[in-house]
Amino acid sequence: EVQLVDSGGGLVQPGGSLRLSCAVSGFTFSKHWMGWVRQAPGKGLEWVANIKQDGSEEEYVDSVRGRFTISRDNAKNSLYLQMNGLRAEDTAVYYCARNSDWSFAYWGQGTLVTVSS
Amino acid sequence: QSALTQPPSASGSPGQSVTISCTGTSSDVGGYNHVSWYQQHPGEAPKLIIYEVSKRPSGVPDRFSGSKSGNTASLTVSGLQAEDEADFYCSSYAGSNNFWVFGGGTKLTVL
Repeated sequence: EVQLVDSGGGLVQPGGSLRLSCAVSGFTFSKHWMGWVRQAPGKGLEWVANIKQDGSEEEYVDSVRGRFTISRDNAKNSLYLQMNGLRAEDTAVYYCARNSDWSFAYWGQGTLVTVSS
Repeated sequence: QSALTQPPSASGSPGQSVTISCTGTSSDVGGYNHVSWYQQHPGEAPKLIIYEVSKRPSGVPDRFSGSKSGNTASLTVSGLQAEDEADFYCSSYAGSNNFWVFGGGTKLTVL
């Protein structure tokens, strides 16, 4: 069974940092692009970042480029999102997701990030 | 404002069919057959129900179908059931500048 478990969310002050993690099981992690998608409270979905199977390519939405860094550890079956310079508008539930067939085929349960003083 | 435009709401009675539209541009929906649809029940993570415009993942009922014409994709839910009540989001690949875009979501109500 494919499983993605998100963790690392919490309350952080504006300008602060947070590192999200996603532990996966049930599939060969190293064979898939992976990504993060967020959802602000009561709002729609927004793609944040993607990373290639071997970590050699990273893609970001403009609003987080230069502040967020996506990475992966294929030996640990884990995906990460390092978030620096957090802003109030980054407040959201962050989901990790597995890319397959040009879609986000499987999703984690999400972890809530709240940026507030 | 979302990159793809969806109606904020849709509704139908049990057994009826409802279609949700998703309008983009030639740079996303119209330029690639990489449109996907997601169903999200309250408090849950989104679930993929359609990929590559019209393909259904294993386990998704054939009551859900997708299509595309020009810059507009559509999701049709046939034989509406109470459990279909949820938020639905479309998404499209948008090339090497914007990568992935989503619609603003449509709240489907089963009357």
